[in-house]
Amino acid sequence: NAGVTQTPKFQVLKTGQSMTLQCAQDMNHNSMYWYRQDPGMGLRLIYYSASEGTTDKGEVPNGYNVSRLNKREFSLRLESAAPSQTSVYFCASSENEQYFGPGTRLTVT
Amino acid sequence: ELKVEQNPLFLSMQEGKNYTIYCNYSTTSDRLYWYRQDPGKSLESLFVLLSNGAVKQEGRLMASLDTKARLSTLHITAAVHDLSATYFCAVDLSAATNKLIFGTGTLLAVQP
Repeated sequence: NAGVTQTPKFQVLKTGQSMTLQCAQDMNHNSMYWYRQDPGMGLRLIYYSASEGTTDKGEVPNGYNVSRLNKREFSLRLESAAPSQTSVYFCASSENEQYFGPGTRLTVT
Repeated sequence: ELKVEQNPLFLSMQEGKNYTIYCNYSTTSDRLYWYRQDPGKSLESLFVLLSNGAVKQEGRLMASLDTKARLSTLHITAAVHDLSATYFCAVDLSAATNKLIFGTGTLLAVQP
């Protein structure tokens, strides 16, 4: 039982490049989330998915898209990365309580 | 605008001392979570508080929730160095969606 897994762990992008962050959970949870964490701040919700096939915006959705591929997987896509998207990205899943993945540290130069 | 405010933002304390971290929030909610984060690591769930008056204890940490005052506290008893970490509270906006709004965190440094 791996819980919530994320790939990659680290990524460096140039401005304008695109990439997809992957997240998977094996706890059979319906809800999944993407957060970003900037230095000295708490986590901010980017997007969430209450169930397979549904997604909704969080606090800071601009510049991101998401796909809930199936119940297990929820991906986050940056179409044209910007330096302001340099952050640590956490995926979480929940059934009443949220469980977090290990994070992806993204740097955009 | 919903706000979740923690104080203090930074806490340096000596081993053996007691202290309390406060979490105030500006919306109606009766569900609040406390997490711990070690440097470079993910978030670890500490407490889930699901109703007014809820109190939970684990080791040297005790959390409580007063929904009428919109206040949660995390009390540290006889601190030890291993408790050094950043602590976050998070308010649950809705039991249906489990969307969380996080506080800015309290960096706790326990000095020997």
